[in-house]
This record gives sequence, structure tokens and C-alpha cells, in this order.
Amino acid sequence: EAGVAQSPRYKIIEKRQSVAFWCNPISGHATLYWYQQILGQGPKLLIQFQNNGVVDDSQLPKDRFSAERLKGVDSTLKIQPAKLEDSAVYLCASSFRRTETNTQYFGPGTRLTVL
Amino acid sequence: AQKITQTQPGMFVQEKEAVTLDCTYDTSDQSYGLFWYKQPSSGEMIFLIYQGSYDEQNATEGRYSLNFQKARKSANLVISASQLGDSAMYFCAMRETGNAGKSTFGDGTTLTVKP
Repeated sequence: EAGVAQSPRYKIIEKRQSVAFWCNPISGHATLYWYQQILGQGPKLLIQFQNNGVVDDSQLPKDRFSAERLKGVDSTLKIQPAKLEDSAVYLCASSFRRTETNTQYFGPGTRLTVL
Repeated sequence: AQKITQTQPGMFVQEKEAVTLDCTYDTSDQSYGLFWYKQPSSGEMIFLIYQGSYDEQNATEGRYSLNFQKARKSANLVISASQLGDSAMYFCAMRETGNAGKSTFGDGTTLTVKP
């Protein structure tokens, strides 16, 4: 079974530029998550999708971050414009369902550096 | 308020010995899940073990076991017979029924296994 795929693995941009990250979840997983992990901290949930609908985006900085999952499979997370404090690893995860018993499986992450 | 607390920023253990990584949590839900993940320097989050709040027995997965003490709200990870490859960051996480299944992560413990 293929795992969660993410691209790119690394990205370096200047502040005020825009950037997009792509995620393909495990086949059959209805729930998809985007996390931001700042160095030395645990992952923080940015947005959670159930199929193509948003379940939770309470911690997503909506003035600069956006995410979509149009067909209920792949997802894209965008930052526009980027700030220095957006430097972090962006992790995508998926689970079969969004209940408390369902394990989330993570992709390899995208390491973003904003200069 | 912090819902997952990992009080040990760093831990050292001798190869082949056992080590316990601490995790305490806070929730008012009766139904929740507790997870441990390993994050090597490569950055990927690897699922290790799961414990449901209604599970009466402690979870075990190979060399990993979870010491679940519900009344004390603790879910410590025990790694037996440590190996050099166990050196990594370890995260405790919780998913709550009443929170759309959203996960909350602790800030992690860095484990170093000494030869």
C-alpha cells in the first residue's frame, strides 16, 4: 500500500513570494490533514478535510494561507504572501475516518525556508 | 490550554536497556485515542502505537508498549531493548470525539540511544 505522498520535499523562497504544496493521501482515506511543524515543536493542525469539505480550519491563517481538496483526493496548500515565520515543515496526513480511533499516517513533509 | 504535556525535552538511554517517555493529557471527553509517533531526523512521522480510552489492557506493538493510567491521565511509552535506530524525536498525540477527531500533539521528547 502506497503511503502519503508530498511534493516538493524542500522549498526556499523570499518573503512576500507565494508557494504551493501538494499532497496525495493513502487510497481510500477520506480524511486529510495539513500540519505546520516549527522547529522544536509538535505539529499544529492547520486544516482538516473530510472528503472535499472542510471540517476544521480554525488555526489556518486565512489572510495568507489557503487549501483545497476539490475532488476529495489530492490537496494543495498555498501561502501567499509568505512571511519569515512561515519557515517550517508542512506535513500532510490522512486517515480512513476522522474518529478518535483512526490512526493518521503522515507523508514525508515539505521543508519550507522563507528568506 | 496545553492538552498534551511531554515533560522530558531530552532523554538518554544505553543500547539494549528499556526507557520510558512520559506523556500526560487533559480532556473532558470520555472517548478519545492516544497515539505515539516517532520522527527521525529525516522528518517523517512514523506511527508507533495506539491506545483507546476504553481499552482495558495496555497496548503493545513489538518493543513498544503504552503504560496507560486513565485516572492519572498519563500514557507513557515504554521502549524495551533500545536500539541505535531508536534515536529520534517522539511525539504523544490525542484525538477527542468531541473535537471533530482533531489531533493535539505534545512538543516531543528527543531520545538518544548510546552504544
